[in-house]
Amino acid sequence: NAGVTQTPKFQVLKTGQSMTLQCAQDMNHNSMYWYRQDPGMGLRLIYYSASEGTTDKGEVPNGYNVSRLNKREFSLRLESAAPSQTSVYFCASSVWEPGNTIYFGEGSWLTVV
Amino acid sequence: RKEVEQDPGPFNVPEGATVAFNCTYSNSASQSFFWYRQDCRKEPKLLMSVYSSGNEDGRFTAQLNRASQYISLLIRDSKLSDSATYLCVVNPRTSGTYKYIFGTGTRLKVLA
Repeated sequence: NAGVTQTPKFQVLKTGQSMTLQCAQDMNHNSMYWYRQDPGMGLRLIYYSASEGTTDKGEVPNGYNVSRLNKREFSLRLESAAPSQTSVYFCASSVWEPGNTIYFGEGSWLTVV
Repeated sequence: RKEVEQDPGPFNVPEGATVAFNCTYSNSASQSFFWYRQDCRKEPKLLMSVYSSGNEDGRFTAQLNRASQYISLLIRDSKLSDSATYLCVVNPRTSGTYKYIFGTGTRLKVLA
């Protein structure tokens, strides 16, 4: 009963390092999303992929890149990590139609020092 | 103005109490509405969808008021296990795309 799986769960990076957060879903959803959540800011959309082969910027895309590797997988890359990117990152997926539930992974806690 | 606004709380209520949260949204073309629950250091999970005619799921009742652009969540007979943050989620239709816009959440603490 996997749903949305993201790795790693915890990571500490030094400023300037790069890393990729991995996400996979087994619900045959066509849409996938990356959010970040910060205290008092709520969930903010970084990038989304409406369907395999497409990606679009969300509310806070600066400093990130994404890859929709196939229908199941959607990765988020930090090319040069900054302390402002310290956050909890959630991957999510849904069917691309209004009214459908969005499902989340368990989150990745990233600290940039 | 934020697209989705919620009172952050916290709402501190005794066990057995009834508590209600509201959430306002700015996009009148919004298509779908949801309440999600998020426990500390966990992912958000669907509590219930909100339908135009209102809907109930056990102790939880959700209402939609399109004219005033708000949704509400009523929790009856509060349990300690209801302590969590409740997120209002709106599915606006913008330029043919569908996104999920989250409120910052209302924190509920149910006290013994």
